[in-house]
Amino acid sequence: SAVISQKPSRDICQRGTSLTIQCQVDSQVTMMFWYRQQPGQSLTLIATANQGSEATYESGFVIDKFPISRPNLTFSTLTVSNMSPEDSSIYLCSVLGGGTDTQYFGPGTRLTVL
Amino acid sequence: ILNVEQSPQSLHVQEGDSTNFTCSFPSSNFYALHWYRWETAKSPEALFVMTLNGDEKKKGRISATLNTKEGYSYLYIKGSQPEDSATYLCAFDAGNQFYFGTGTSLTVIP
Repeated sequence: SAVISQKPSRDICQRGTSLTIQCQVDSQVTMMFWYRQQPGQSLTLIATANQGSEATYESGFVIDKFPISRPNLTFSTLTVSNMSPEDSSIYLCSVLGGGTDTQYFGPGTRLTVL
Repeated sequence: ILNVEQSPQSLHVQEGDSTNFTCSFPSSNFYALHWYRWETAKSPEALFVMTLNGDEKKKGRISATLNTKEGYSYLYIKGSQPEDSATYLCAFDAGNQFYFGTGTSLTVIP
């Protein structure tokens, strides 16, 4: 299994500002995934981040709003830009577990936008 | 977007009771079905990966069954304990992406 850490664990931000969330994995992985869970909703995939190439965004999510960096095989960042209260969510990163076909998740970043 | 539904949305049981939840998913494009336990402020923890129709998996007091033809999976907890309190998520794996349900929030009352 992979051990994943995220920073910050939670934050309260003002409307119009941006927040960058960091995700660190204890092993090298090709793909990292970014999810969000809005209140009362399911975990929804935002984008897949591959090292050395641009992230692939799911329908409804755009790079200008959620820019992603993937500088190496153990680290990624997700920025939530120009935030509004609708961005209040839990944001999680995940990786695929080698040989198990399951995903391992970080502990999440709980974001509240005022 | 695939529709994955979980029921009930929340559940309160007494310590020692047994309980079960349901995950419904499309019966086409099935690759696997995943169950996770998610405690507040912690990482979702993988419980089971189920791939074959009729699969039954067990981990301690928790077990799960899978019916891919009718598109549902049950998660059972025998003799619930307060430490079982968490949100239980299922995820339909279409091979290239996971589609999550909204979860069942379980509270076990001592």
